[in-house]
Amino acid sequence: GAGVSQSPSNKVTEKGKDVELRCDPISGHTALYWYRQSLGQGLEFLIYFQGNSAPDKSGLPSDRFSAERTGGSVSTLTIQRTQQEDSAVYLCASSLGLDPPYEQYFGPGTRLTVT
Amino acid sequence: AQSVAQPEDQVNVAEGNPLTVKCTYSVSGNPYLFWYVQYPNRGLQFLLKYITGDNLVKGSYGFEAEFNKSQTSFHLKKPSALVSDSALYFCAVRERGNTPLVFGKGTRLSVIA
Repeated sequence: GAGVSQSPSNKVTEKGKDVELRCDPISGHTALYWYRQSLGQGLEFLIYFQGNSAPDKSGLPSDRFSAERTGGSVSTLTIQRTQQEDSAVYLCASSLGLDPPYEQYFGPGTRLTVT
Repeated sequence: AQSVAQPEDQVNVAEGNPLTVKCTYSVSGNPYLFWYVQYPNRGLQFLLKYITGDNLVKGSYGFEAEFNKSQTSFHLKKPSALVSDSALYFCAVRERGNTPLVFGKGTRLSVIA
């Protein structure tokens, strides 16, 4: 079946521009997660959704980052006024739910480069 | 707050030898523990998880991990390494309740023929 998809696969943007990253989770998965993967830094948790609500936004690095999920499906991660330190691979994952702790299925990621 | 440590950035092992990738964690209470693998140019894939019960957990591709509460460890093991096991391995931990999954920084495994 179809896995988690993300678009675009690559994004190059100029410092100060806004970007939107999209995630399509596996159909039927109610939980959706965003992570950031920087070289040598592992995976940094950003935010998760259970349905359309995000109980924990504490992982967002600054108020320039926001995310939403509509219809319990597609999610967008928006970064406003991008900075060079935002350059990373942004990963989305989905799972059947939060509990019991189901395994997360990851998308291929969006590689963001801020010049 | 929960945390996880992977003390080795790189592990090298000869094909056919046993491999171990180390992971230690810190949580309040009992943890949920996971291993994920990232092959070159591919997304992260789930390998195995510990929720409760038997301390030895078996997962995909012949991997297993042992939960050791006294040492707060969850090391990943395989009896006989394959060149195709070469990848980046991530340990992750979650506390009980509505808490996020926290990943380690990853360990790069290189299996040499």
